Amino acid sequence: EAGVAQSPRYKIIEKRQSVAFWCNPISGHATLYWYQQILGQGPKLLIQFQNNGVVDDSQLPKDRFSAERLKGVDSTLKIQPAKLEDSAVYLCASSLRGGTGFYEQYFGPGTRLTVT
Amino acid sequence: QKEVEQNSGPLSVPEGAIASLNCTYSDRVSQSFFWYRQYSGKSPELIMSIYSNGDKEDGRFTAQLNKASQYVSLLIRDSQPSDSATYLCVTDKLIFGTGTRLQVFP
Repeated sequence: EAGVAQSPRYKIIEKRQSVAFWCNPISGHATLYWYQQILGQGPKLLIQFQNNGVVDDSQLPKDRFSAERLKGVDSTLKIQPAKLEDSAVYLCASSLRGGTGFYEQYFGPGTRLTVT
Repeated sequence: QKEVEQNSGPLSVPEGAIASLNCTYSDRVSQSFFWYRQYSGKSPELIMSIYSNGDKEDGRFTAQLNKASQYVSLLIRDSQPSDSATYLCVTDKLIFGTGTRLQVFP
């Protein structure tokens, strides 16, 4: 079974520029997550989708970050405009289901973003 | 602020020893807890989950949960150099700790 795919793997941009990340979850996984992991910290949940609906986006900086999940499959995360503090690894994960039950998350390889 | 606290380490243990990793959490509503392993430069992978008070064993790994003390731990028996990684404690509210870096030396 193919894992979670993400692209690009690396991105370097200047502050105030925009950037977009793409994620393709494991086939059949209803729930998709975007995390931000700053060096030396644990991942922080930015947004959780159940199919193509948003379950939790309470920690998404909505003034500059946006995300969508098209037709309940692929997802894109956008930052516009980027700030220096956005430098991090952006991880996409998917799980068969979400909600209050147990859900094993499978992570993609991540996109390492450097903002200069 | 819901938090998960872990000692960042590094925790250094000799090969063959027991490594003990600890985690405390502030959100009493959380019922399930997970341990993820993250090798340097790689993505996290799930190694253990625990839902009830007490111990849960899986091979060389044992997870322990004490909800009254809001405490979760992971024991790794017969530690191997390949266990060297950062171990992340996670609640079912998807709150990750900062991780404990484990180093197992030959």
